Amino acid sequence: AQTVTQSQPEMSVQEAETVTLSCTYDTSESDYYLFWYKQPPSRQMILVIRQEAYKQQNATENRFSVNFQKAAKSFSLKISDSQLGDAAMYFCAYLGTLVNRGSTLGRLYFGRGTQLTVWP
Amino acid sequence: EAGVTQFPSHSVIEKGQTVTLRCDPISGHDNLYWYRRVMGKEIKFLLHFVKESKQDESGMPNNRFLAERTGGTYSTLKVQPAELEDSGVYFCASSPQGWANVLTFGAGSRLTVL
Repeated sequence: AQTVTQSQPEMSVQEAETVTLSCTYDTSESDYYLFWYKQPPSRQMILVIRQEAYKQQNATENRFSVNFQKAAKSFSLKISDSQLGDAAMYFCAYLGTLVNRGSTLGRLYFGRGTQLTVWP
Repeated sequence: EAGVTQFPSHSVIEKGQTVTLRCDPISGHDNLYWYRRVMGKEIKFLLHFVKESKQDESGMPNNRFLAERTGGTYSTLKVQPAELEDSGVYFCASSPQGWANVLTFGAGSRLTVL
């Protein structure tokens, strides 16, 4: 079974600084998707960034970027120029395409989350 | 476009009582998913609807949990009778047909069983 591990229950960063959240996963599949979701307190969980495993280039979305190391099964999230609004619980998630291709299954596997605090 | 709406946002009940959680997906989304996060643990898959049909309910913990999606629109998740270990946050997500990798999540319903 696929597993996702986030080894940092909590992280903190000073405003305007850079922080990296770690995520590793275990799978025997060669093609899959990886995601970082963000959940601010009492608000909906939103997608931060998505990476397709077949793409070698790391995904970026404005201040958010990933370091995807397929061989190491590592998928870390880097937040640059951190803002107070970045404070949230961050979840790393995996989606296998073996169940995705040709079907509508969307069984994500999540890590336990990393609570990010941003200090002014 | 309205997002995924979940109700109630927080429910506190006593062991043995019944609770019904509701999810309104994005209009037109055929896929609807329920996930649950027990405090300090991973968010885990519960089940998946395609329209009104259960595509995969292998994540449902036991027969005290009943999910329905009448008419392929909103969905309810009923827990009867509730146990202490059912406490957690229940997330609903939806996606268009054929786009399982573009899930939109709701804010979750927090359930506390005393």
